[in-house]
Amino acid sequence: EVQLLESGGDLEQPGGSLRLSCAASGFTFSGYAMTWVRQAPGKGLEWVSAITQSGNATYYADSVKGRFSISRDNSKNTVYLLMNNLRADDTAVYYCAKGSLWGPKSPLDYWGQGTLVTVSS
Amino acid sequence: DIQMTQSPSSLSASVGDRVTITCQASHDISKSLNWYQQKPGKAPNLLIYDASSLQTGVPSRFSGSGSGTEFTFAINNLQPEDIATYYCQQYDDLPITFGQGTRLEIK
Repeated sequence: EVQLLESGGDLEQPGGSLRLSCAASGFTFSGYAMTWVRQAPGKGLEWVSAITQSGNATYYADSVKGRFSISRDNSKNTVYLLMNNLRADDTAVYYCAKGSLWGPKSPLDYWGQGTLVTVSS
Repeated sequence: DIQMTQSPSSLSASVGDRVTITCQASHDISKSLNWYQQKPGKAPNLLIYDASSLQTGVPSRFSGSGSGTEFTFAINNLQPEDIATYYCQQYDDLPITFGQGTRLEIK
């Protein structure tokens, strides 16, 4: 059974940093691209970032480029999202999602339960 | 970026009805279009991929069609458990983009 378990969400002040983790199980993690999607309270879904299977290519939404960094450790079956210089509009539930064998441009067929990031002073 | 325009933003229907949702892409995305269901407090769930393929385990009352810039999602024989918000998503190009969502209520 595919499982994705996010952690690391917290209340953080503007300008602060957080690192989210997503631990995967139930599939060959190193074979699949991984993606982060966020959802602000009461709002729709926003794609944030994606990483290829090997981790040698990463992609970001303009809204987070230069502040967020995605990485993965295939030995630990974990993908990370390092969020720096946090802003109030980063407040959201952050989901990690499994992509496809073909890379980041794919359906997202499994999602974690989400972790809440709140940015407020 | 490819813009996805989804309509309606909300709809109300009765059990047993057929409901449809449309999604329009700002550029030709071929069939690179997925549909997700999100129930309150839960993560999204993939229902339809590649515009018309039913994800494993999804009931056959859900369907999708279209290509290029115009897409349609349908639920036949609406059930109470179908109360949710539905999103289209294009993956033809990065950034991946979602429609704004359609909130479905049961009358």
